[in-house]
Amino acid sequence: AQSVAQPEDQVNVAEGNPLTVKCTYSVSGNPYLFWYVQYPNRGLQFLLKYITGDNLVKGSYGFEAEFNKSQTSFHLKKPSALVSDSALYFCAVSHTNAGKSTFGDGTTLTVKP
Amino acid sequence: GAVVSQHPSRVICKSGTSVKIECRSLDFQATTMFWYRQFPKKSLMLMATSNEGSKATYEQGVEKDKFLINHASLTLSTLTVTSAHPEDSSFYICSAFSLTAGGASETQYFGPGTRLLVL
Repeated sequence: AQSVAQPEDQVNVAEGNPLTVKCTYSVSGNPYLFWYVQYPNRGLQFLLKYITGDNLVKGSYGFEAEFNKSQTSFHLKKPSALVSDSALYFCAVSHTNAGKSTFGDGTTLTVKP
Repeated sequence: GAVVSQHPSRVICKSGTSVKIECRSLDFQATTMFWYRQFPKKSLMLMATSNEGSKATYEQGVEKDKFLINHASLTLSTLTVTSAHPEDSSFYICSAFSLTAGGASETQYFGPGTRLLVL
């Protein structure tokens, strides 16, 4: 079985400040980890993924995530938040690259000017 | 990136009627598509895996006779909510995997979702 936990329902940051959205996972074998963003009444947009290799993954819109195997975490980060980053963020895990994923409950990010 | 479309984007129907939702991969072929259901301010719940040319694989607790899935071609999967009831009201999202540029790996692309309201 695989599972994902996003411990924060809501994250609030000021524009220009760094942001972190937390994610921990549980999966048998090597994990495939993903971050998606969802704007209101829209589908999900892919941000980045970790399959193997460098623990620091860079993705779209200046986001990056760090894979930490010992802590089973895959936190999403951005050095300087924008108001336009305000959205719902989902972390997901799979045991294959193109198989079905299990999603976290989502974290609402609000960036205030 | 690859584009996945859904039609309709929004549908309102009376209780007891059936509703069909289409999911299309516009610029790539998808042998597998996924159907998700999302409740307000909640995560995505995987309903089923749609396989081109064969039966869909349903997740535990999802009624296959209630949610009919047909994946008739490499670019089209349909979800039919039969005899819809108000509790079926939800946001339905499909997805498909496509190779990224250069074919290095696959990325899951999501449709824009379909808002179903059953009165």
